[in-house]
Amino acid sequence: AQKITQTQPGMFVQEKEAVTLDCTYDTSDQSYGLFWYKQPSSGEMIFLIYQGSYDEQNATEGRYSLNFQKARKSANLVISASQLGDSAMYFCAMRGRETSYDKVIFGPGTSLSVIP
Amino acid sequence: EPEVTQTPSHQVTQMGQEVILRCVPISNHLYFYWYRQILGQKVEFLVSFYNNEISEKSEIFDDQFSVERPDGSNFTLKIRSTKLEDSAMYFCASSEGPPEAFFGQGTRLTVV
Repeated sequence: AQKITQTQPGMFVQEKEAVTLDCTYDTSDQSYGLFWYKQPSSGEMIFLIYQGSYDEQNATEGRYSLNFQKARKSANLVISASQLGDSAMYFCAMRGRETSYDKVIFGPGTSLSVIP
Repeated sequence: EPEVTQTPSHQVTQMGQEVILRCVPISNHLYFYWYRQILGQKVEFLVSFYNNEISEKSEIFDDQFSVERPDGSNFTLKIRSTKLEDSAMYFCASSEGPPEAFFGQGTRLTVV
């Protein structure tokens, strides 16, 4: 069965520093998609970045990059030059053929706090 | 940039009342979903909808819940006879096809 693990329940980072949020996943699929979402205290779910399992290059979106290591089944999110507004919950998620692509499986989340 | 839109952003309802949460998916998307997140907990899948019918539902999605696509643009989640434990953030998502999925900003439902 598909499963997402985020081992860091909470993280602190100094403003302007880079931070890596860990995500490992388990699936028997060859074709799947990995996502990162940000959820600020206001509650909305904000899409950050997407990586397809067949994408050869790591995905990047502005200050966000996804360190995709397929053999290790990891999809860590790297946030460069952290800002105070980055303080939020971050969810790693995946979707694949194992669930008929019918649902996105979410990890438990990592709470990131950016310190001035 | 196209986005999934949910209304209302916050709904307060009395226990036992019916609520309808509304979603406007991205216009060319064919797959629609509802998820919920009880405060402080994981995001949970409720139901997926494709070709005008439910394609998969979780054990949470019991007879109290129903989904509908009443017209070409809206996708609704109805909760009959709400219970206190239905209080949660409800997210709609849509997709053009696997494996991408785009989420709305959520509706916070509070049952009192």
